[in-house]
Amino acid sequence: NAGVTQTPKFQVLKTGQSMTLQCAQDMNHEYMSWYRQDPGMGLRLIHYSVGAGITDQGEVPNGYNVSRSTTEDFPLRLLSAAPSQTSVYFCASSAGQFQPQHFGDGTRLSIL
Amino acid sequence: TQLLEQSPQFLSIQEGENLTVYCNSSSVFSSLQWYRQEPGEGPVLLVTVVTGGEVKKLKRLTFQFGDARKDSSLHITAAQPGDTGLYLCAGDPQTSGSRLTFGEGTQLTVNP
Repeated sequence: NAGVTQTPKFQVLKTGQSMTLQCAQDMNHEYMSWYRQDPGMGLRLIHYSVGAGITDQGEVPNGYNVSRSTTEDFPLRLLSAAPSQTSVYFCASSAGQFQPQHFGDGTRLSIL
Repeated sequence: TQLLEQSPQFLSIQEGENLTVYCNSSSVFSSLQWYRQEPGEGPVLLVTVVTGGEVKKLKRLTFQFGDARKDSSLHITAAQPGDTGLYLCAGDPQTSGSRLTFGEGTQLTVNP
C-alpha cells in the first residue's frame, strides 16, 4: 500500500526560486493537509483541504499556495522561496480533520 | 503559547527503564491522538483516546486520558532501543472552528 507519497524527498533552492512539492494519496481520503516541522516548534499547519476544489489557510499560510483539483493530489507551491522556509514539510491525509492522520515521509527543503 | 504542552522535551534513558511523557492543556479536547516519528519518516499513529479516564494499552505502552479530558500521558515499561523516536500528541479542541493541534513532541532516546 502506497498511502501518502511525497516528492521530492530533498530539495535545495536559491532565494527567490519557486517550486512545487507534490503529495498524492491512494486511500480516497477527503481531508488533506500540509505541515511544516521545525525544531522546537512542532508541526504547524500551512494549508488544508476538506475535499476536491476546497482549500483553506492554516496557522502559517504566508508564502505558500495550494490547490485541490482531484481527491488524490494536493500540491504545495512556494512562490518565491525565502530562507525562513527552510524546513521539513509533511503532507497528511485522513477521513476527516480530527481523524487519525496518515503522513508522508516528508520533503526536506533548504533555501540558500 | 502552545495549546498542548508536552514534557519533558528530551528524555534519554537506559534500556529496561520505565518512563512517562505528558501532554497537558488548559483546554478540553474531544479526543487525543499519540504519534511516534522516527528519523527521516513521518509521524505514525499509535492510539486515539476519546473518553475521560480512558486507559489503552499497546504492548509495553500505556496511554491514559485525563478525567477532565485536558491531559494525557504515555507510559512505557521496560523501554527498548526500538522505542527511540519523537512522541507527539495531537488534540481536537472543543471550540468552534478549531483545527487538530499538535504538541511540540518529546524526543526519547533509549540507550542499549
